[in-house]
Amino acid sequence: DAKTTQPNSMESNEEEPVHLPCNHSTISGTDYIHWYRQLPSQGPEYVIHGLTSNVNNRMASLAIAEDRKSSTLILHRATLRDAAVYYCILKFWGGNEKLTFGTGTRLTIIP
Amino acid sequence: GAGVSQSPSNKVTEKGKDVELRCDPISGHTALYWYRQSLGQGLEFLIYFQGNSAPDKSGLPSDRFSAERTGGSVSTLTIQRTQQEDSAVYLCASSERPGTSGRTGELFFGEGSRLTVL
Repeated sequence: DAKTTQPNSMESNEEEPVHLPCNHSTISGTDYIHWYRQLPSQGPEYVIHGLTSNVNNRMASLAIAEDRKSSTLILHRATLRDAAVYYCILKFWGGNEKLTFGTGTRLTIIP
Repeated sequence: GAGVSQSPSNKVTEKGKDVELRCDPISGHTALYWYRQSLGQGLEFLIYFQGNSAPDKSGLPSDRFSAERTGGSVSTLTIQRTQQEDSAVYLCASSERPGTSGRTGELFFGEGSRLTVL
């Protein structure tokens, strides 16, 4: 499995932007970059994914480096409800396969 | 239902007993995954089913663990002779085949089944 590396934890003030980094230096050309988050006492939920271009949706933005060896999940205006563990995962486009979730980044939002 | 359904939501059992955990995936999803999450830890892959293909069982921690998926839909994870270290939240997820409606097979998780072995 291609590996991803994330900081164990981050803190951010409420209503400020949050940039969550992820390194994936061994990414292959057919790997999509997926982000999930896990709120307390819940199963993970899909946040966003991308291949090469930056992506935006109602939850977040994903900025992908030109060489695709790193990416950043951007929460534009953090709320207390965004406190969660965020997982960055590489997923081969061509098929389903087991996905390896690392330990993710635990995001704490400071009121 | 619209989402992945798991039952029971909580299960307390005695060491040595067998338990069965059930997962009802989203209708039409071809892939089904089982993960477990011990307290404060990340997700540990257990097993993955894709359509009619042989399941990927590479994550099952011992031969006390088994899973089946009947008719390509509902799945049951069975743990025999439970041990205290089996205590965890067991999470099920399902996904569409990549390429369906332009999607890349993102996973939809259930709420999990919390297993406590006394």
